[in-house]
Amino acid sequence: GQNIDQPTEMTATEGAIVQINCTYQTSGFNGLFWYQQHAGEAPTFLSYNVLDGLEEKGRFSSFLSRSKGYSYLLLKELQMKDSASYLCAVLDSNYQLIWGAGTKLIIKP
Amino acid sequence: GAVVSQHPSWVICKSGTSVKIECRSLDFQATTMFWYRQFPKQSLMLMATSNEGSKATYEQGVEKDKFLINHASLTLSTLTVTSAHPEDSSFYICSAREDPGSFSYTQYFGPGTRLTVL
Repeated sequence: GQNIDQPTEMTATEGAIVQINCTYQTSGFNGLFWYQQHAGEAPTFLSYNVLDGLEEKGRFSSFLSRSKGYSYLLLKELQMKDSASYLCAVLDSNYQLIWGAGTKLIIKP
Repeated sequence: GAVVSQHPSWVICKSGTSVKIECRSLDFQATTMFWYRQFPKQSLMLMATSNEGSKATYEQGVEKDKFLINHASLTLSTLTVTSAHPEDSSFYICSAREDPGSFSYTQYFGPGTRLTVL
């Protein structure tokens, strides 16, 4: 079966750094996405990785290791507005998007 | 770029009535659109995949006669919830994917429609 695992909930402090991990087992791989979803709102696209390595985009970075079936989203200089759920999703061999359950990130002052 | 709109944002209806939700890609052509449903504090659940000019593909457990999907153009897909009941109350979200020639197959989401059935 296809499976994506990410922690259910994480807590971090304003101004700090947090790393949200995602491991996956899917039938094929055509890329991994990270989305941010604030409560009561639709997801917004953060990043896409298809090659190994780190992609940096401002305060957010995403890393991928295809051999390990592993990715992480790194958030730096945390702000209160970063409190949201972060969804990991993998594009499988049929170009279907397989979604993780999401990680709820709580930022404390 | 890659903006998706959804209308209406909120809808309240009586049990037994039908509700139509529109999803539009504003600045790109979307060969494929997706319809999701999300209950409070739960994960996104894919309901169906909609391809322009062809019948939608429904996920297991989703009644195609209850959730009618039409994708008549490269910028518009509609979801009609027929004979809505209180258990259909949920947050319905569409997403659109750029032309298959696009590198990343990124899905861009509309803002969602909150449906409440009384």
